[in-house]
Amino acid sequence: GQQLNQSPQSMFIQEGEDVSMNCTSSSIFNTWLWYKQDPGEGPVLLIALYKAGELTSNGRLTAQFGITRKDSFLNISASIPSDVGIYFCAGRIGGNNRKLIWGLGTSLAVNP
Amino acid sequence: NAGVTQTPKFQVLKTGQSMTLQCAQDMNHEYMSWYRQDPGMGLRLIHYSVGAGITDQGEVPNGYNVSRSTTEDFPLRLLSAAPSQTSVYFCASSPGPLEPDTQYFGPGTRLTVL
Repeated sequence: GQQLNQSPQSMFIQEGEDVSMNCTSSSIFNTWLWYKQDPGEGPVLLIALYKAGELTSNGRLTAQFGITRKDSFLNISASIPSDVGIYFCAGRIGGNNRKLIWGLGTSLAVNP
Repeated sequence: NAGVTQTPKFQVLKTGQSMTLQCAQDMNHEYMSWYRQDPGMGLRLIHYSVGAGITDQGEVPNGYNVSRSTTEDFPLRLLSAAPSQTSVYFCASSPGPLEPDTQYFGPGTRLTVL
């Protein structure tokens, strides 16, 4: 099935560093979502984006809806150990198609 | 509110056995979905429902059945388990047309088929 290209696949950083990850698609999306999954848990929605160019923050997290509508970025500033987990992007083409298309995830490890 | 609950949390089956994974939500959400998560594959949609009595296939429906007799419950049935169905299964719900993207996930069921 169709999937998003999410990169990087994994990251290992030092506490306090900033983190950037992104997702790209060959299709135009009208919605971009970013989720975080802690070990042994289900994904939790972090940020939802609905307009091209939109920049939205949630604490130390900032996400942007790309101008081309084919990409999105998530930045985490001043990482802390509890940021560890897998971050997923998901998108929706829109119209009558309500299904989410998921990236494969970015696994983040933070060294205290 | 308990949110989205799933039972069991862990399950081991033998090839050919049948079982039902339970999912319930107490938020009066219209939309419910079942996903499976495999290493390197991300989340793949199995079946989904847009309301009681209405279900539809997702990306990987083969080997699974669902029904939605009530708003609260959305069970996933494996009629004849196969090793390829070893996975982590997540149920999710969302309110409906006004907030379609706020999917709430359950804690998952870890299934192993021997």
